[in-house]
Amino acid sequence: DAGVIQSPRHEVTEMGQEVTLRCKPISGHNSLFWYRQTMMRGLELLIYFNNNVPIDDSGMPEDRFSAKMPNASFSTLKIQPSEPRDSAVYFCASSPLGGGDTQYFGPGTRLTVL
Amino acid sequence: GEDVEQSLFLSVREGDSSVINCTYTDSSSTYLYWYKQEPGAGLQLLTYIFSNMDMKQDQRLTVLLNKKDKHLSLRIADTQTGDSAIYFCAEKLTGGGNKLTFGTGTQLKVEL
Repeated sequence: DAGVIQSPRHEVTEMGQEVTLRCKPISGHNSLFWYRQTMMRGLELLIYFNNNVPIDDSGMPEDRFSAKMPNASFSTLKIQPSEPRDSAVYFCASSPLGGGDTQYFGPGTRLTVL
Repeated sequence: GEDVEQSLFLSVREGDSSVINCTYTDSSSTYLYWYKQEPGAGLQLLTYIFSNMDMKQDQRLTVLLNKKDKHLSLRIADTQTGDSAIYFCAEKLTGGGNKLTFGTGTQLKVEL
């Protein structure tokens, strides 16, 4: 199994530009999670989906952030316009529903906004 | 409310045992997890324990759960330099959907 796949692995952009992060969950997993990790705030849950439907987006910082899951094998997290304070590592994780609901993390996208 | 606390740093000598501690405030946890994060990588699940268990052992790892004190610990026996990483505990709450609440992470440094 390839695990959770994220792209790009690194992204450097200028303030004001649109950024799109991509995630492919593990095949057969029903839930998908987007996290942000920074030194100051640690690991924060931004949003999660069950069966492609957003369940909890209370962690999305503001309207500049949006996430979609058009099908079971793909999700995007978009920031428009980006700001320097958005610089962080963004992780996608997926899990099967039920049982321990163990989450499996992707390698992350390191975003730098200049 | 949900709050998961960990100490920030732990330093041990190679070959010694490491004990990483975690406290949580919500008693409705159903599962508790330990994840490991190596530099530049995502979080990797190490083990998890169901809330009605007191202990779980998996090779060099021992998880202890004290529900009364809301305290979770991870013991790593014969700690190796490859165990140097950040360790996160996390809890899944009853009625919290299937999202996890993560602790702040403990950075384990293994010295020769």
